[in-house]
Amino acid sequence: GDSVTQMEGPVTLSEEAFLTINCTYTATGYPSLFWYVQYPGEGLQLLLKATKADDKGSNKGFEATYRKETTSFHLEKGSVQVSDSAVYFCALGLKGNTPLVFGKGTRLSVIA
Amino acid sequence: DTAVSQTPKYLVTQMGNDKSIKCEQNLGHDTMYWYKQDSKKFLKIMFSYNNKELIINETVPNRFSPKSPDKAHLNLHINSLELGDSAVYFCASSQAPWGDTYGYTFGSGTRLTVV
Repeated sequence: GDSVTQMEGPVTLSEEAFLTINCTYTATGYPSLFWYVQYPGEGLQLLLKATKADDKGSNKGFEATYRKETTSFHLEKGSVQVSDSAVYFCALGLKGNTPLVFGKGTRLSVIA
Repeated sequence: DTAVSQTPKYLVTQMGNDKSIKCEQNLGHDTMYWYKQDSKKFLKIMFSYNNKELIINETVPNRFSPKSPDKAHLNLHINSLELGDSAVYFCASSQAPWGDTYGYTFGSGTRLTVV
């Protein structure tokens, strides 16, 4: 079935370090791909998305490129801040009455 | 003017009680969802309604019953609460009964604690 696999966390980085959170997917069709972020005590917020192969989603310094050949959508940021500490979820969406499929989430902690 | 609002934000109750969580969206979306997030942050879809019609009903105990009085509201009623029901419950909405283009908009969650 359709699924998303994210790297296990937690990930702990120093401020201004480079961030990569890996995400790979398995899907029967051509999904759209999303990254959501959940700050402590809050709901999930859409961070960025890409709807077709080779698209790059970007927002708040975060980027992810839809790689069909490697079925991946890795999240990157060049210089993280303490305020980026959160749980990050990769997700895929397909047409039809199928809900978004979420990965298990990766907790990021950024220390000053 | 919160897009997806849930009430209450926190709910502490005893085993065996019946409780409800309410959700409202003012985005004009046709589809609404309930997700359960466990202590490890894993998100599991429970139900989905499109324009008041149930379209997704995952394997959840029948103690959980969703109700959608109109397309802007989706409530979750839970009977005979058990310790294992303790979790954060998220409501979400989307423009269509799939999230492939726009994704979902989530509420801020209801933390349910059963004691």
